[in-house]
Amino acid sequence: AQSVAQPEDQVNVAEGNPLTVKCTYSVSGNPYLFWYVQYPNRGLQFLLKYITGDNLVKGSYGFEAEFNKSQTSFHLKKPSALVSDSALYFCAVRMNSGYSTLTFGKGTMLLVSP
Amino acid sequence: GAGVSQSPSNKVTEKGKDVELRCDPISGHTALYWYRQSLGQGLEFLIYFQGNSAPDKSGLPSDRFSAERTGGSVSTLTIQRTQQEDSAVYLCASSFRLPPDYEQYFGPGTRLTVT
Repeated sequence: AQSVAQPEDQVNVAEGNPLTVKCTYSVSGNPYLFWYVQYPNRGLQFLLKYITGDNLVKGSYGFEAEFNKSQTSFHLKKPSALVSDSALYFCAVRMNSGYSTLTFGKGTMLLVSP
Repeated sequence: GAGVSQSPSNKVTEKGKDVELRCDPISGHTALYWYRQSLGQGLEFLIYFQGNSAPDKSGLPSDRFSAERTGGSVSTLTIQRTQQEDSAVYLCASSFRLPPDYEQYFGPGTRLTVT
């Protein structure tokens, strides 16, 4: 079985400050990890993924995420938040072998205030 | 290039009616997925098609839900005898075939409201 936990329903941050959106996962074996963003009334957009190699992954719009195997975490980060980053963020995981579907967390709403 | 498209964008139906939701995946993508997004519930996997293989229906919540994919491209999700708890946004996604590191590309969704 595989699962994802996003412990925060909402994260509030002021524009210009660093942001972190938390994600922890549980999967048999090694994971493939993804972050997606959903803007209002839009579908999900791919941000970044961890497959293998460097634990720090850089993605779209200045976002990055750090894979931490010992803590089974894949937190999303950005050094300086923008108001336009306000959206719903989803973390997702699947096994890196065989067949499995992608399991999503419940999402974290990020609100960046001016 | 063209992304994943879904129609209709919004659907309001009466309880007990049947509805059909359509998904056009990205050309060349052989994998197609349906998800349901309910408020506060995240994304719930419904069904997965991969090429000509039998679909993975393990996420369908009841036998009122079914889906087909014709010619390895367009997919239709059908909900029979709709109930109010079926109200949600239904998202379709497509990707290249396995291995599983390929990211999924999502459509804008169909917002279904059952009155």
